[in-house]
Amino acid sequence: AQSVTQPDIHITVSEGASLELRCNYSYGATPYLFWYVQSPGQGLQLLLKYFSGDTLVQGIKGFEAEFKRSQSSFNLRKPSVHWSDAAEYFCAVGVIQGAQKLVFGQGTRLTINP
Amino acid sequence: DAGVIQSPRHEVTEMGQEVTLRCKPISGHDYLFWYRQTMMRGLELLIYFNNNVPIDDSGMPEDRFSAKMPNASFSTLKIQPSEPRDSAVYFCASSRTGAQYFGPGTRLTVT
Repeated sequence: AQSVTQPDIHITVSEGASLELRCNYSYGATPYLFWYVQSPGQGLQLLLKYFSGDTLVQGIKGFEAEFKRSQSSFNLRKPSVHWSDAAEYFCAVGVIQGAQKLVFGQGTRLTINP
Repeated sequence: DAGVIQSPRHEVTEMGQEVTLRCKPISGHDYLFWYRQTMMRGLELLIYFNNNVPIDDSGMPEDRFSAKMPNASFSTLKIQPSEPRDSAVYFCASSRTGAQYFGPGTRLTVT
């Protein structure tokens, strides 16, 4: 069965430091991969997506993610975090043609120290 | 272009009452999804529609839950009767090309 694992439930980084959030997926075919961010009391906002092509994907708010097929990973990175990046981050894999059904990871909560 | 619109944003009701949540997807999107989010279970897909037709309702927890999409611009999720364990945030999302766009959610509290 398809699944997504985000190994880190909670991460704390200092403002200005670099960030990497981990995501591993289990899916037999070529995956469609997504990262979403959820601020408190808000809905999920799409940060970036990978469908095919270049394995390094650029997203909004200065985020990027790299697809590594050999490691079944799609880690999210940002070179320098801002206090406004504090939120919950969700990785997801699309499991039907066109990625019309998503399986989400449990999320990683990011705290930013001033 | 407006995003996904959900109403109400907050709903407080008593156990046994009927609750109706509403969603207006992004214009031109042909897929619509209903999710439920709780601390214990995370984000769960309840049901999704394609071109107003329900495709997969295997996530609907019980017969007390029902969803309809009478046209391309409107969907409802109904809980009747409601129970305290239904308390959660309910999200609607829509898509056209694979990436789903979420509404702000409805926070439901059943007392």
